[in-house]
Amino acid sequence: QSALTQPASVSGSPGQSVTISCTGTSSDVGAYNYVSWYQQHPGKAPKLIIYDVSNRPSGVSYRFSGSKSGNTASLTISGLQAEDEADYYCSSYTTSSTGVFGGGTKLTVL
Amino acid sequence: EVQLVESGGGLVQPGGSLKLSCVASGFIFSDSTLHWVRQASGKGLEWVGRIRNKVQGYATAYGASVKGRFTVSRDDSENVAYLQMNSLETADTAVYYCARLRSRSSTWGFDVWGQGTTVIVSS
Repeated sequence: QSALTQPASVSGSPGQSVTISCTGTSSDVGAYNYVSWYQQHPGKAPKLIIYDVSNRPSGVSYRFSGSKSGNTASLTISGLQAEDEADYYCSSYTTSSTGVFGGGTKLTVL
Repeated sequence: EVQLVESGGGLVQPGGSLKLSCVASGFIFSDSTLHWVRQASGKGLEWVGRIRNKVQGYATAYGASVKGRFTVSRDDSENVAYLQMNSLETADTAVYYCARLRSRSSTWGFDVWGQGTTVIVSS
């Protein structure tokens, strides 16, 4: 199972919006609505911010939203804040009943 | 407080074995599906494996890079999950996290993570 493809880095200024893509195949991202996103700050464990493509766990800011089209999922962060600077990872369930992560995207808030 | 706490990491020689533990508290462990995820230093997350609950037959699954070498198990009476790692390679050096799948029903998202335990495979 190959890792999902994410851009290595994205950046934006405070208040702007950024979108991170996550491209897989018809065997993972495209197969089910089972895509999740995680935020990871340096030295910390990942934090779930989106599950099942577009659902936010309780306590996660409304500024985080998710979507999917075909084999590509996307995470949009609106109203960028300094605290959003972190690494972001997508993950998908696969048709082999396994999991797979993306390579990660480093978000820089300018 | 809902939490997962990993332990058992350490330094091991190539070809050796190590068994990691993940102790759960604050939720009904026996209902949950537990996953293991690892992260090499400066690298991304890699899905390692998972074990489902008793109702789902304690079904396990593994990532291609560890299949046949790693085994996930659990003891619901002790609220603990294990990752038995055999035939370790230098490429297995990483921080290992256990994580809980967020719901018993069909879903994909790990809502509780441990703090991680470090495994170093080196001679």
